[in-house]
Amino acid sequence: DTEVTQTPKHLVMGMTNKKSLKCEQHMGHRAMYWYKQKAKKPPELMFVYSYEKLSINESVPSRFSPECPNSSLLNLHLHALQPEDSALYLCASSQADRALYEQYFGPGTRLTVT
Amino acid sequence: AQSVTQLGSHVSVSEGALVLLRCNYSSSVPPYLFWYVQYPNQGLQLLLKYTSAATLVKGINGFEAEFKKSETSFHLTKPSAHMSDAAEYFCAVTKKSSGDKLTFGTGTRLAVRP
Repeated sequence: DTEVTQTPKHLVMGMTNKKSLKCEQHMGHRAMYWYKQKAKKPPELMFVYSYEKLSINESVPSRFSPECPNSSLLNLHLHALQPEDSALYLCASSQADRALYEQYFGPGTRLTVT
Repeated sequence: AQSVTQLGSHVSVSEGALVLLRCNYSSSVPPYLFWYVQYPNQGLQLLLKYTSAATLVKGINGFEAEFKKSETSFHLTKPSAHMSDAAEYFCAVTKKSSGDKLTFGTGTRLAVRP
C-alpha cells in the first residue's frame, strides 16, 4: 500500500471558522509533510514532522497549527484564515526525512476561504 | 542553497512525438534530483529519481532522465507522447544531508495534440 489519504477533498470555510485537515498513511513512514500549493505554482513546504516531532516550520502563520498524533496520522488545524489562504493543501510522507527518500503525496484538500 | 530551473512553462507536442522537458540544477554539493507529475486536481506522483547510482534513470510510464554533471542538467524524456501524458511536471532537488527539504522548479505544463 503506497497510498496517502487526505480528508476532506474539498473544504469551504469562513474566516471565523475552525476546521481541520487530516492525512493518513500506512506505509510505516516516519516523516510527514504539509505543503501549500496555489494555482499554477509548485508546492511550498509548510511543516515537516520526523518521528512525530515537528522538525521544520517554514515560518507559517500561527493560524495554521499542525499536529501529529501518531506515526500514521497528520492533522492541520485551521483557525481565522484569510481568503489568500485558499489553496490546495498537500500531505506527503517518506521513510525518513533524509534526502534520498522520495516523498509520496496525497491527492490534497482544496480549501476555499470565504 | 540548491535550486532548479525548468525552461519552458508550457510545452506542446503531437501524440507520438518525442517529449523533452528541461531541468537545470544548481547545487553546491552533489544533489538528489526528482521528477514529479501532477494531473489536474490530483497530488504529485513520483516519475523517477536520481541518487547517484546511475546517470540514466528510468521511471514509470516510459519516462527517463539523464543526469549530466557537466551541464548541470536532468532533462526528462519520453520517446513517444501519449494523450494521457498531458499534465504538469515538476523537477525537484535536494542535497545529500539529513532532513533537507525538497525544492521544486516552477513546473512545465505538457499539452499533447491529437
